[in-house]
Amino acid sequence: DAGITQSPRYKITETGRQVTLMCHQTWSHSYMFWYRQDLGHGLRLIYYSAAADITDKGEVPDGYVVSRSKTENFPLTLESATRSQTSVYFCATAAGRRETQYFGPGTRLLVL
Amino acid sequence: DAKTTQPPSMDCAEGRAANLPCNHSTISGNEYVYWYRQIHSQGPQYIIHGLKNNETNEMASLIITEDRKSSTLILPHATLRDTAVYYCIVRVGPGTASKLTFGTGTRLQVTL
Repeated sequence: DAGITQSPRYKITETGRQVTLMCHQTWSHSYMFWYRQDLGHGLRLIYYSAAADITDKGEVPDGYVVSRSKTENFPLTLESATRSQTSVYFCATAAGRRETQYFGPGTRLLVL
Repeated sequence: DAKTTQPPSMDCAEGRAANLPCNHSTISGNEYVYWYRQIHSQGPQYIIHGLKNNETNEMASLIITEDRKSSTLILPHATLRDTAVYYCIVRVGPGTASKLTFGTGTRLQVTL
């Protein structure tokens, strides 16, 4: 049972390039979340999705785009990467709005 | 959102109980207390949660004071693998996406 997988696990890119981080879950949880983790800021919510085709902004959505055409996938796209988007990105899922969130292993992104 | 206060670091000898405190004096009546931990370079891992009654699972016990203004996470027999940063989180109330707000947590070091 894979649960939540994220790919790639590590990514190096250059400023201005488009990057897509993938999140896949096998639990059929309705809610999915994207967080970023930076030293001094803890985890901050970027975007979340309540179901397929339903997404909404979190605390720090600028510079990111999400989509959710299928329940199991929730890709996060950096349309034009900036150095400030260097971070560790975590995807999480939850069965319902108030249910426990479970996290993936993370993607470490370095923008040069 | 109710804020939480945790000591920045704690030490515990292997095999002993680790008691991690958390203050959440502004918690609302419908807000739960959640505990997660993050082992270095991994995604946050759910441990336990509770509303007002004490809770126990295979990982830990959660003791919530009667006034709900503080709680203690207990790892009954700490091992070296329990070395991690532990986060006490109070869930955002109804009407939101129930994002998790991670503070700075307590860094638990388990030693031989």
